[in-house]
Parts: sequence; C-alpha cells; structure tokens
Amino acid sequence: KAGVTQTPRYLIKTRGQQVTLSCSPISGHRSVSWYQQTPGQGLQFLFEYFSETQRNKGNFPGRFSGRQFSNSRSEMNVSTLELGDSALYLCASSLEGLATEQYFGPGTRLTVT
Amino acid sequence: LAKTTQPISMDSYEGQEVNITCSHNNIATNDYITWYQQFPSQGPRFIIQGYKTKVTNEVASLFIPADRKSSTLSLPRVSLSDTAVYYCLVGDPEFTSGTYKYIFGTGTRLKVLA
Repeated sequence: KAGVTQTPRYLIKTRGQQVTLSCSPISGHRSVSWYQQTPGQGLQFLFEYFSETQRNKGNFPGRFSGRQFSNSRSEMNVSTLELGDSALYLCASSLEGLATEQYFGPGTRLTVT
Repeated sequence: LAKTTQPISMDSYEGQEVNITCSHNNIATNDYITWYQQFPSQGPRFIIQGYKTKVTNEVASLFIPADRKSSTLSLPRVSLSDTAVYYCLVGDPEFTSGTYKYIFGTGTRLKVLA
C-alpha cells in the first residue's frame, strides 16, 4: 500500500511569512503526528492528531498549529516564520497512535531566509 | 520531565553484535519504548517496540529492565547497510493535562566497517 506522503518536499520562505505543510497518511491510519528535525535540537515532537482531534502536544509555541480532516489527511501551519524554524518537518501515521508503529514520510525541508 | 540520553556514535565491524542503550527517566509508566532507524534524507523507520523485559523480532532485540529507566537495542550480526542513526522514543506524561509529549532520544550514529 502507498506510504505516507508529504507536500511540498522543499520550501523556501521569508521571515515573517506563514507556511502550510500537508501530510497524507497511510490508508486506514487514524493517527498523524508531526515532528521537527534540526541538527541542533534533533527530533522534536510537535503534536499528534487522532480522528480530527489534537490528542497530544509538544513544547512548541502557538505559532505552530495543525489540523486533521475527516479523511485523516493533516496539515501543519507555522505563522510568523523565524529563521530558527528552518528544519525538516516529518509527518508520521499510525493505526492507533504513538504507542503503535509509526510510518514516517520523507519530510518537508523548510528554509526560512 | 522525561530526559533521554544516548551515546553520540558507535563503530562496529560487520558480523558483530551491537548494543545501543538509551537512558530515560520519568517516562510514562504505561507506555511503550520504541526504537527507530534513520538513513540520510529519509524519515525514521520503526525497528522494535517493547514495554518491559525482552522483545525480539526478525531484525533486533530490545531489553528493558524492571525500572524502565533505560532500554537497550541489540542488533545481531550487523552489516554495512545497518549504518544509520538510531533513536529511542519514549512517552512523557503531562499529568495536569492528561496528555503526552513524546521524546526522541538524542540519536546514536552507528557506523559499520567492513
């Protein structure tokens, strides 16, 4: 079956702008989680959505938000971009949540200039 | 707040057994400990998951002591293709909100030599 897809794969934005990233989970998976990966901070958990509800949340400011649609597809939005938001943003899907096997997408590489 | 620690890097030769330990305190008492493998320019890939004692699958074993303050990923007879970064993932409960943060370990860069 098709894996997790993320769009776009690469993105360049200017400081102060906002950005929306998209994630399509594996068919049948109800949980979608988002992570930020940087060389300095490593892999950091942003939030998890399950059946259209945010179920768990990491320690990121309110500029980072997300949502999940009825077909389980998810979007992540970052407003008022800062240089430090430059990172690889990974999306993962699973059947029941983070305690079960997660399947990661290839990520979206965001560069903020 | 949970905190995880892993060795930054390890070298091994092909055919050897490799053990990577993740130290984690204050993790969720009722959640699994999971390990992932990541190759350059790819998302992490699930290796193994356990709650306590020992779990084994076709690619690895996971050892978790009773106090769950650490976990050890064991890769038997590594090959060059096992060269990657390995992460543990644990749950950190937020008792006030009833939610969890999930914390990846710092990652261990394994290099397998011929």
